[in-house]
Order: sequence, then structure tokens, then C-alpha cells
Amino acid sequence: AQSVTQLGSHVSVSEGALVLLRCNYSSSVPPYLFWYVQYPNQGLQLLLKYTSAATLVKGINGFEAEFKKSETSFHLTKPSAHMSDAAEYFCAVSDGTGGFKTIFGAGTRLFVKA
Amino acid sequence: KAGVTQTPRYLIKTRGQQVTLSCSPISGHRSVSWYQQTPGQGLQFLFEYFSETQRNKGNFPGRFSGRQFSNSRSEMNVSTLELGDSALYLCASSTRETGGTDTQYFGPGTRLTVL
Repeated sequence: AQSVTQLGSHVSVSEGALVLLRCNYSSSVPPYLFWYVQYPNQGLQLLLKYTSAATLVKGINGFEAEFKKSETSFHLTKPSAHMSDAAEYFCAVSDGTGGFKTIFGAGTRLFVKA
Repeated sequence: KAGVTQTPRYLIKTRGQQVTLSCSPISGHRSVSWYQQTPGQGLQFLFEYFSETQRNKGNFPGRFSGRQFSNSRSEMNVSTLELGDSALYLCASSTRETGGTDTQYFGPGTRLTVL
């Protein structure tokens, strides 16, 4: 069975500071990993995805994530936070076998202080 | 290209009633997945349809059902509503070109409130 654990339900950073959102996964097969962002009253938007092509994945809005198999981690980072980054972020895993079933983490709400 | 649309956006029902939610995927997308989002349980997978066939199903009771039409539009139905069914129901579509690496595109969701 697959699972995702996001460390920290809330993260607060100052504008311009580094953003680090942590995600650890569990999977019995090589995983496909995703980060999504959700703004209030909206659906989810894909930030980036890991598909085994490269361990460092660059996404939209300046975000990137590094897949570390030895640590079973897929942490999301952004060098400099912007006020518009305030949202909820979800890490997700899919095994890609026979259909589309994605398991999401509990989410991390990012607050950005001026 | 138009995004995923869900109707209605907001719905209020009472316990015991049933409800039908609709999702129109992005043109050309044949896979539609449904998720329930609640503050307590987070995002939970309900089911996925591809070419009118249910391919995957999450751990929800039989009161939750769905279907997909030949034009890929999908509906989900919840019968005998309970207070705990209050949630944001999200629909996502994808092309399913390469299985699990496909990008899912989410709609804005339907906010269901059960009184």
C-alpha cells in the first residue's frame, strides 16, 4: 500500500525567505510523486511531478522538489517566498498501475508574512 | 481549451436525500477521477472512470456511486445522505497517455452541505 506523510500542517515564512515543505512517502513499487497547490475555494493545481526521469524536478512558480529514494522523501522548496505563495500544498503518490488512483497527504498550509 | 467544469458549485441537502454531481472533463480527456475533501479526512479518492468503465475504487460505502458517459462526462451520486458527507467534491480529468505519470487537471469542486 502507498502512503504519504507531510510533516507540519502549518508552515510560516517571511516574504523572501526559503520555503521548505516536507513530504515522505511509502510505496512498494517505484512511485510517481506529485505536488499540488490549492488556493481558497479552488481546485488543485499541479506544481510538479516526479516520473523517474530526473531526481530534481522543477515546477511552476519557481518551485522545485528533489526525489531522494534513500530517504523516501520528496520535499518541496522555493528559494524566495512571495505573498502569492500563501496556499495549501499537497504531496501525492500514485503507483501508476492499471488506472489512476492518487493518494494525497494531509496538506501543509503555507503562510507568508510581509 | 476549457478546463474541468463541475456543476453545481454549491449544494445544500438534508439527511436522507440523494444528490447527483456532474463533471465535464477537458476535451479529449478520457479519464475522470473523483475525490472527497474534508477538514478531518483530507483528500480521499472515490473512484476513477475511463471510457465509461470504473477502473479504480476507493474505500467508500456503496452509497457513493458514479458513471461516465460516452462523451466522457461523469456524474457521481450519493444516496441517503449523512451529515458526514458534507465535503468539497473534486473531479479531475487526464488523458491517461502513460498511466500514473499523467497530469490530472482538477475542477473547482462542488461544495456539498448536508443539514
